[in-house]
Amino acid sequence: IAGITQAPTSQILAAGRRMTLRCTQDMRHNAMYWYRQDLGLGLRLIHYSNTAGTTGKGEVPDGYSVSRANTDDFPLTLASAVPSQTSVYFCASRKGQGTEAFFGQGTRLTVV
Amino acid sequence: GESVGLHLPTLSVQEGDNSIINCAYSNSASDYFIWYKQESGKGPQFIIDIRSNMDKRQGQRVTVLLNKTVKHLSLQIAATQPGDSAVYFCAEHIWGTDSWGKLQFGAGTQVVVTP
Repeated sequence: IAGITQAPTSQILAAGRRMTLRCTQDMRHNAMYWYRQDLGLGLRLIHYSNTAGTTGKGEVPDGYSVSRANTDDFPLTLASAVPSQTSVYFCASRKGQGTEAFFGQGTRLTVV
Repeated sequence: GESVGLHLPTLSVQEGDNSIINCAYSNSASDYFIWYKQESGKGPQFIIDIRSNMDKRQGQRVTVLLNKTVKHLSLQIAATQPGDSAVYFCAEHIWGTDSWGKLQFGAGTQVVVTP
């Protein structure tokens, strides 16, 4: 089934540890996105990539990094996790300009 | 509407009634708008979209209305069902410094369908 897959589904992480959230899509979408979702704040864009090989910063990029080595994969890395990064993280992709974004099921991350 | 503080605005609707969810968007240059539905524990799912050259679009049981004059978007759900209980987000497509633009999301509205 075509779609967008995130891993892990949930994770408890000690503060200071490094963590990579994985995201893979098989729809051959050009653009991919990472959002965090916190109650009352909606979905906030962390980083994005419009095409393989390019990335950009969203609203809340600090403490996060991404790479886009190929079309399908867009991992998000927390170099040294802090409790304020406790959130639900969603990866999304879209085919092109003026099209809807498709979302993964999310990764619930708790930093303790 | 938009949320205040840590609590989402909640719309309580009786099963069978029509629901109207409102959203104010920020950028008068936005040219594309989307409504998403998010059920508990799941990712947002596309419901319906509308481009700025339209003021109304209908789908199955849903209608989106766009008022560019006051930068307002609404989602109407006809004959609301228990399965419509979810958080609903509006998103606007905002052009930035690159040629792609980005989707900016509102904080969401919780819809609770009562029997």
